[in-house]
Amino acid sequence: AQKITQTQPGMFVQEKEAVTLDCTYDTSDQSYGLFWYKQPSSGEMIFLIYQGSYDEQNATEGRYSLNFQKARKSANLVISASQLGDSAMYFCAMREFGNQFYFGTGTSLTVIP
Amino acid sequence: NAGVTQTPKFQVLKTGQSMTLQCAQDMNHEYMSWYRQDPGMGLRLIHYSVGAGITDQGEVPNGYNVSRSTTEDFPLRLLSAAPSQTSVYFCASSYGKDNEQYFGPGTRLTVT
Repeated sequence: AQKITQTQPGMFVQEKEAVTLDCTYDTSDQSYGLFWYKQPSSGEMIFLIYQGSYDEQNATEGRYSLNFQKARKSANLVISASQLGDSAMYFCAMREFGNQFYFGTGTSLTVIP
Repeated sequence: NAGVTQTPKFQVLKTGQSMTLQCAQDMNHEYMSWYRQDPGMGLRLIHYSVGAGITDQGEVPNGYNVSRSTTEDFPLRLLSAAPSQTSVYFCASSYGKDNEQYFGPGTRLTVT
């Protein structure tokens, strides 16, 4: 079974609108971490946000928030007020059992002016 | 403060050749990792280290060796290159396992 599933290969959003990128995960570990990274066309990986499995509040970092639904094993990324510079690949990732990291296959986001 | 550096940026190998991809960080991070990124497959963890002298396998370790003799350096060795190892390789480091991972710029490797 896939550890991280991102079901949206590509998404479009109008500039200044909000967008949600979906991520579901599979783990039997009780202590795990969830991450989102951005990869622009230039290729570098940029950290966006982190959520720990024991965190009760949803994580927020500026325009990014993580909608954490533990029972549903989902960790969706919400980007508010999209900007043209948000066009990139977005990867959801999970750390489980100490130091094993798994990344999803990514969602390509295009922001339309 | 250079962050995470990787060399080389590009490399072409013939099947059966060996080489070492270099990775260094100057942030005094204990955690370092190597990933490969293939089209449509996201990043996959090859090996990781939680400190000098300590390494462990990730999801796809076969064909690769690592060592960690210093906190700063974490080289990845390809023992006998195969076309299946054609990929983009990223090195990353972090302060702790649930902290932001800082990624290097990547090495694009082609094995013919």
